[in-house]
Amino acid sequence: QVQLVQSGAEVKRPGASVKLSCKASGYTFISYHMHWVRQAPGQGLEWMGMINPNVGTTTYAQEFQGRVTMTRDTSTSTVYMELSSLRSEDTAVFYCARDPPGGLASAGSLDHWGQGTPVTVST
Amino acid sequence: DIQMTQSPSSLSASVGDRVTITCRASQTISSYLNWYQQKPGRAPRLLIYGASSLQTGVPSRFSGSGSGTVFTLTISTLQPEDFATYYCQQSYSTPRYTFGPGTTVDIK
Repeated sequence: QVQLVQSGAEVKRPGASVKLSCKASGYTFISYHMHWVRQAPGQGLEWMGMINPNVGTTTYAQEFQGRVTMTRDTSTSTVYMELSSLRSEDTAVFYCARDPPGGLASAGSLDHWGQGTPVTVST
Repeated sequence: DIQMTQSPSSLSASVGDRVTITCRASQTISSYLNWYQQKPGRAPRLLIYGASSLQTGVPSRFSGSGSGTVFTLTISTLQPEDFATYYCQQSYSTPRYTFGPGTTVDIK
């Protein structure tokens, strides 16, 4: 079965960076784009960006441009999201989510999600 | 950027009620609209894709409709496990997606 298993909770100081991982299994890793979504406490879902694991190309939301880097390791079927210059407003749960390939009716939907990684930014 | 709005932001309902949530896009998005359910402390779950297609494993009491700029999610007969927050998401501007602000359904 499809599984996305994310790395554990993080606590960081303002100005630091954090690198989260999302390990995929149960499907062909390179066939599905992977997105990252942020959810601040008590708030809604915010799209951060995506990576095409096949070629490594990325697209980032304007709000995170310059601070976010998404990468992948095809040998371990893992995607990574690094967020730098952390501030208190980055305290949130970060999710990875899989996007079916173009051509499928479900393309553009996020059909499987990781369990989420809580990140706390505090002095 | 395409902006998404939802109404109402919250609603109170009873088990057995019919519930409708509306999502509006700031420009036409054809049928590139998806719906998710999220319960506290859990990851979101895909319910509906392509505005009206039921994701595998989702109960048939959930349905979606609409195209262009106005969409609805309907729960025909509310069950206890349906109390949650619901989000719409546009995928028209792929791969730049946007979510609506969410609608919380709680117990009356």
